[in-house]
Amino acid sequence: GAGVSQSPSNKVTEKGKDVELRCDPISGHTALYWYRQSLGQGLEFLIYFQGNSAPDKSGLPSDRFSAERTGGSVSTLTIQRTQQEDSAVYLCASLPNGGVNTEAFFGQGTRLTVV
Amino acid sequence: AQSVAQPEDQVNVAEGNPLTVKCTYSVSGNPYLFWYVQYPNRGLQFLLKYITGDNLVKGSYGFEAEFNKSQTSFHLKKPSALVSDSALYFCAVRDNRRGYQKVTFGIGTKLQVIP
Repeated sequence: GAGVSQSPSNKVTEKGKDVELRCDPISGHTALYWYRQSLGQGLEFLIYFQGNSAPDKSGLPSDRFSAERTGGSVSTLTIQRTQQEDSAVYLCASLPNGGVNTEAFFGQGTRLTVV
Repeated sequence: AQSVAQPEDQVNVAEGNPLTVKCTYSVSGNPYLFWYVQYPNRGLQFLLKYITGDNLVKGSYGFEAEFNKSQTSFHLKKPSALVSDSALYFCAVRDNRRGYQKVTFGIGTKLQVIP
C-alpha cells in the first residue's frame, strides 16, 4: 500500500484480556515508532524500532506492554491483561532510511477501548 | 530530556485573519522541529519542518513557521485562516545528535476558525 496501515481500526476488549495491534509501515521504511494518544495527553512515545531492533523502548508504560518487528517490516504491539487506563488511540509511524531528518508518516491508528 | 510545550489548548480565530499556534521546545543538542495536523478521525499529516538553514520555513496549505533559537520557539503561522484549517495541531522536536532518535510531541492545540 501507499501509506502506513494499522489494524484493527477499532478494538473493544474486556478488562484482563490480551490484545495485539498491528502496523504495516511503508515499504522500505527502516524506522518505526509507536505512540499512544489519550484525550488531553498529546502523543506519548512508546517504542522505536530501527530495523528489527528496538534501541529505545523507554516509553512502554509497564511490563504488560511489548512490541516486536519482524523482517524489518510489520510490527505488533501487544498489551497483556488490559486495563481501563490502556484505552487510547495507538498510532504507528514509519520513516525512511533511519529518519535522521525526515518527517514521520502516520497510520490512521487503532482505537482501543477496554471495558 | 527533550520536551515540547504548546501553551494553548485551543486557539480561536476568525476566517481571513492571521493565525498563530505557539510552540516552545527543550533539547540538549540542536533541534529538528516539525508541525503536524490531525483532522477529525484521521491520522497525523506532516505540515512542515525545520532542519537547518533559513529560520522561516514554508509548508503545506499556506502554513509557515519561524525557528527562533534564542527563544527556543517554533510558532506556526498562516496569514489568512480558512474554516478548513480547523483541526488539532502538534509540534514535535528531535535532537539532531547522532543516536538520538526519539521524536517528542506536544499536547496539541485545537485550532477553531470561525466563519
